[in-house]
Amino acid sequence: GENVEQHPSTLSVQEGDSAVIKCTYSDSASNYFPWYKQELGKRPQLIIDIRSNVGEKKDQRIAVTLNKTAKHFSLHITETQPEDSAVYFCAAIPWRGNTPLVFGKGTRLSVIA
Amino acid sequence: DGGITQSPKYLFRKEGQNVTLSCEQNLNHDAMYWYRQDPGQGLRLIYYSQIVNDFQKGDIAEGYSVSREKKESFPLTVTSAQKNPTAFYLCASSMRRETVNYGYTFGSGTRLTVV
Repeated sequence: GENVEQHPSTLSVQEGDSAVIKCTYSDSASNYFPWYKQELGKRPQLIIDIRSNVGEKKDQRIAVTLNKTAKHFSLHITETQPEDSAVYFCAAIPWRGNTPLVFGKGTRLSVIA
Repeated sequence: DGGITQSPKYLFRKEGQNVTLSCEQNLNHDAMYWYRQDPGQGLRLIYYSQIVNDFQKGDIAEGYSVSREKKESFPLTVTSAQKNPTAFYLCASSMRRETVNYGYTFGSGTRLTVV
């Protein structure tokens, strides 16, 4: 089945700097890649997603890139702010069958003011 | 609260006791899921259901049971066979995949503690 690896597990950046979180997946049939943000004690919330027919997607300060050949995708946050501090999860889902999302283990991002 | 409601928010279980976590959604989603979250472990799938009266085991189903009698409801029972149930439990729902994949909507979670 699908396996998703996420790095780094923790990341600290200065306010205003950029943050990059990387994920790799194993199943070349995966075609949907969402990213979730989970603030302390709260539910994960979808912040951006990308499908396999697109190489890059942007939403204000957040962007996601996908390299299907290398089977990896990345989350980019520019001009980081303290409210970006949270745990971020990547996920992938294979097309074959109605299987659930497979999540990475998460990255704890700390933005230092 | 976001269309998917979990209750209770906090739950305490005694040794040898079964407890049931509630998950209700009004999003008209076909699929529902239960995940367990432990520190540093990410989200691990317990059970999922794509349609009413049907569900499948996830990666860590041992010691848990579910039912899906209604589209809106997907309760999770943590049985006494689950030896280490202390964790944060998240329920999620999504539109059922046919030709397009959709992201999940999560509930606010239930924190279960063994006392």
